[in-house]
Amino acid sequence: DAGVIQSPRHEVTEMGQEVTLRCKPISGHDYLFWYRQTMMRGLELLIYFNNNVPIDDSGMPEDRFSAKMPNASFSTLKIQPSEPRDSAVYFCASSFKEWNTEAFFGQGTRLTVV
Amino acid sequence: DQQVKQNSPSLSVQEGRISILNCDYTNSMFDYFLWYKKYPAEGPTFLISISSIKDKNEDGRFTVFLNKSAKHLSLHIVPSQPGDSAVYFCAASEGIHPNKLIFGTGTLLAVQP
Repeated sequence: DAGVIQSPRHEVTEMGQEVTLRCKPISGHDYLFWYRQTMMRGLELLIYFNNNVPIDDSGMPEDRFSAKMPNASFSTLKIQPSEPRDSAVYFCASSFKEWNTEAFFGQGTRLTVV
Repeated sequence: DQQVKQNSPSLSVQEGRISILNCDYTNSMFDYFLWYKKYPAEGPTFLISISSIKDKNEDGRFTVFLNKSAKHLSLHIVPSQPGDSAVYFCAASEGIHPNKLIFGTGTLLAVQP
């Protein structure tokens, strides 16, 4: 398996523009997570899905952020409108449903909003 | 509110010596703990884990210790190697949400040759 695949790897956009980050989880995994890495907060959980259904979105910072998982092999994280403080590395991760199992991470998308 | 805390942003160790990375947590319901390693421009990768029913778990050069009363865990790397230089994240989950991992802020380990 190729692992969790994220695209794009890098994204530079202007403030106010819409940004869409994409993720393909590992086949057969039941859970999908979106994390944001910043110096101040480390790896911050934004939202996670179980069997394509959002379970907990309490980490989504504002209404400007939204995430979808239309099927088991694809998820998007959208920021509209983007702001400079959204600049960070965004990671997608997936895991099996088994109790206490580790999550596998993608390589991340480095987002820069200018 | 940061439920998982890594108070040392960085640590420098000589090759061959022991590296000790620390992690504190506030949520007493956490019952599973993990350490991840992250190289630049890569995603975090799982390193080692421990359940709250244990106080120690060992895997080769890596050992994780858990002190539930102090809400503290640590990762020991012996002997440290230059290839261990990376950011180490501590993570925790609780039984009602076993797959929801809460991460700390990370510690940058530099192993000097």
